[in-house]
Amino acid sequence: ELKVEQNPLFLSMQEGKNYTIYCNYSTTSDRLYWYRQDPGKSLESLFVLLSNGAVKQEGRLMASLDTKARLSTLHITAAVHDLSATYFCAVDAGSGGSNYKLTFGKGTLLTVNP
Amino acid sequence: KAGVTQTPRYLIKTRGQQVTLSCSPISGHRSVSWYQQTPGQGLQFLFEYFSETQRNKGNFPGRFSGRQFSNSRSEMNVSTLELGDSALYLCASRYTSGRLRTDTQYFGPGTRLTVL
Repeated sequence: ELKVEQNPLFLSMQEGKNYTIYCNYSTTSDRLYWYRQDPGKSLESLFVLLSNGAVKQEGRLMASLDTKARLSTLHITAAVHDLSATYFCAVDAGSGGSNYKLTFGKGTLLTVNP
Repeated sequence: KAGVTQTPRYLIKTRGQQVTLSCSPISGHRSVSWYQQTPGQGLQFLFEYFSETQRNKGNFPGRFSGRQFSNSRSEMNVSTLELGDSALYLCASRYTSGRLRTDTQYFGPGTRLTVL
């Protein structure tokens, strides 16, 4: 059974600081996703990483994927208050092709303080 | 383009009742997935439908069922409700067309189910 572990689960940062959220998973997969969820809201897709070595950046967020280490990172650069949210990574455990079955991590609650 | 819509947004039921939730995917999306989100268990995959066929199913009891219609709209049903079924139920849609697909999954706002 695929397991997805995120750490830390809680992260309190100061504005302007950098930090990294880690996402480890237990079985082979080359499809990993990052989502953001604001309180009381649904999930917003941030990044889709589809191959080993994939790196994607959007604003102050950068995500990478190392399929050999079964590890993805979400790096936050110069955090601002608007980044406060819960961030989830999810791994596709589907049988390949067009099948699709996401297993989510527990989420990282990020709070950015002034 | 309209996003994924879910109805109702909020629902209160009592134990033993059944409930049906509805999801309308983004126009042109044929894959619809359902997830349950609770504080204790987090986000858990329920099932995925594509062209009216269930392709994947998560580890939930048979009380949880779903279906998809020819217009890609989907419903999920929970029978004999238990207190532990209280959760946010999220629907997501994705574009797939044979080998051509995008991997971005778009989530709806969710249905908040409370079982008393």
